[in-house]
Amino acid sequence: QQQVKQSPQSLIVQKGGISIINCAYENTAFDYFPWYQQFPGKGPALLIAIRPDVSEKKEGRFTISFNKSAKQFSLHIMDSQPGDSATYFCAATGGSNYKLTFGKGTLLTVNP
Amino acid sequence: GAGVSQTPSNKVTEKGKYVELRCDPISGHTALYWYRQSLGQGPEFLIYFQGTGAADDSGLPNDRFFAVRPEGSVSTLKIQRTERGDSAVYLCASSYDSDTQYFGPGTRLTVL
Repeated sequence: QQQVKQSPQSLIVQKGGISIINCAYENTAFDYFPWYQQFPGKGPALLIAIRPDVSEKKEGRFTISFNKSAKQFSLHIMDSQPGDSATYFCAATGGSNYKLTFGKGTLLTVNP
Repeated sequence: GAGVSQTPSNKVTEKGKYVELRCDPISGHTALYWYRQSLGQGPEFLIYFQGTGAADDSGLPNDRFFAVRPEGSVSTLKIQRTERGDSAVYLCASSYDSDTQYFGPGTRLTVL
């Protein structure tokens, strides 16, 4: 049972465009939703995270939108840059479930 | 400060051999996690330590896998009688609180 579903699997965006990655979860006990960025040969790096008490969180060009009733959350990358090209993972954890459950990842390519 | 470090960065072994993978967490982080990441997938939880004890080892795939953290800092993941299906990137993460996990670069294990 895949508890966190992520889409799309891959995404190609032009420089300056908006990249949008979506995730949906099933476990209502989840209460912390981080996004990780991973470059080839590197470990995942925390990008931004949100708790369900807010519907949106913005840090620089990165925004998480959260819809608790739909059990969905998304990452928006504004003014996408070639340096943003990486694999992005959504994840979830919560309650006594400290372990992160990851989506399958989205390979983002930003063309110059 | 220094991040999570893992050694070796790459390990090639033959089927049936024993391997040890090491993780040095961020100083002061009491929680330590091991994940396994197969090609094209998100990380999957293996085991969680709080201090010296394994609080949750439910993600270990079978009894060939074992991990220790004897002094509450460095951890070693041990795999006996390796199989080709064990080939993956093994990631270690540490955290101070129950949410924000910081990942190391991983050890790429290849079983021939």
